Amino acid sequence: DAGVIQSPRHEVTEMGQEVTLRCKPISGHNSLFWYRQTMMRGLELLIYFNNNVPIDDSGMPEDRFSAKMPNASFSTLKIQPSEPRDSAVYFCASSLGGMGGQPQHFGDGTRLSIL
Amino acid sequence: SQQGEEDPQALSIQEGENATMNCSYKTSINNLQWYRQNSGRGLVHLILIRSNEREKHSGRLRVTLDTSKKSSSLLITASRAADTASYFCATDVSGGSYIPTFGRGTSLIVHP
Repeated sequence: DAGVIQSPRHEVTEMGQEVTLRCKPISGHNSLFWYRQTMMRGLELLIYFNNNVPIDDSGMPEDRFSAKMPNASFSTLKIQPSEPRDSAVYFCASSLGGMGGQPQHFGDGTRLSIL
Repeated sequence: SQQGEEDPQALSIQEGENATMNCSYKTSINNLQWYRQNSGRGLVHLILIRSNEREKHSGRLRVTLDTSKKSSSLLITASRAADTASYFCATDVSGGSYIPTFGRGTSLIVHP
């Protein structure tokens, strides 16, 4: 079975550039999560979609971050303009969720470095 | 602040020994989950325990939940070098949004 697929796996770009991270959730899953992981702050939830609708975006750090889920099989997380402090590993996860008690399935992440 | 906090932050043991990690949380929960993260990879779900359960087993894993103490433990028996990873607990809060909140993890190193 195909798991959650994220692309790219690594991204190195210069400060000020636009960065787009992509995620394909597991087919049939109706919840999608974007996380950011750093040594300093651990794993932070950025945004949560249920049935393609953003439910909770309180973790999005600022207006430079935006996320979309145009259909059940694709989501993007965009940073514009990027800053060095955005350097982190970004994970996408999906689940059958909505009512809790469902395991999340994580992709292998995008390691983002902003120079 | 984190809802769940793992303890210890780091654990180093020899192959064959048992490894015990603990998770404490602040508010009442519906469920508690344990995940493993290998270096450079995403988190992998290990086991879920519901608030009305006290113990669950899965292979070499044993999870306990004490809701009166707001704590859980993960025991890995007869550890192997391949168990080297970070382990996270995730809780979803009663009456909340059912979105799991992750702790900072315990880094386990198993020496061959």
